[in-house]
Amino acid sequence: GAGVSQSPSNKVTEKGKDVELRCDPISGHTALYWYRQSLGQGLEFLIYFQGNSAPDKSGLPSDRFSAERTGGSVSTLTIQRTQQEDSAVYLCASSLGDRGWRSYNSPLHFGNGTRLTVT
Amino acid sequence: AQSVTQLGSHVSVSEGALVLLRCNYSSSVPPYLFWYVQYPNQGLQLLLKYTTGATLVKGINGFEAEFKKSETSFHLTKPSAHMSDAAEYFCAVKDGAGNMLTFGGGTRLMVKP
Repeated sequence: GAGVSQSPSNKVTEKGKDVELRCDPISGHTALYWYRQSLGQGLEFLIYFQGNSAPDKSGLPSDRFSAERTGGSVSTLTIQRTQQEDSAVYLCASSLGDRGWRSYNSPLHFGNGTRLTVT
Repeated sequence: AQSVTQLGSHVSVSEGALVLLRCNYSSSVPPYLFWYVQYPNQGLQLLLKYTTGATLVKGINGFEAEFKKSETSFHLTKPSAHMSDAAEYFCAVKDGAGNMLTFGGGTRLMVKP
């Protein structure tokens, strides 16, 4: 498709279960980002990929969170042993990011997000 | 480290009135600045961006923003609000040190008929 695609759009899970969130970026975009949007918390950076590697994992809130990207394309964000405070909208974005000026200049293109509810 | 402050989490204007959403940033290097809009149940959509050159930037839907280095500001304006402008607006900054985009807390714009 033309835009960033995220699935599922909504996920309800029980506390303690693991969940996987998927992001399919725009074709040709080498940079991929995960953000979390919680009520009253704004947009929180989680992790950034350049190709398949993650030079910046500083935003992952705990070791229950992990992410991977394969083939320089699809990324999966995994949350293990979910807690109620993990409930949020998880947004994925991609950009033309590369080394140098082009990466600084290119905007992020966002998917519609996955709304995660932990009961 | 870079940061973004949006003054006013909620702004209410009447239809046809001026829209002014405030954004101040801090950055140790010349910044790249962005405004995004988020409609309900959707992702963020780029409104406009400032990188280099002209400090007055025009975006989509009649919005514009002016980069003022002396005030470290990048306020978003629109001369005449429309009902369809009701949404949440995010200011963001990216500096030359990396690829991370840092967002402000967002401003929810409400437009009254």
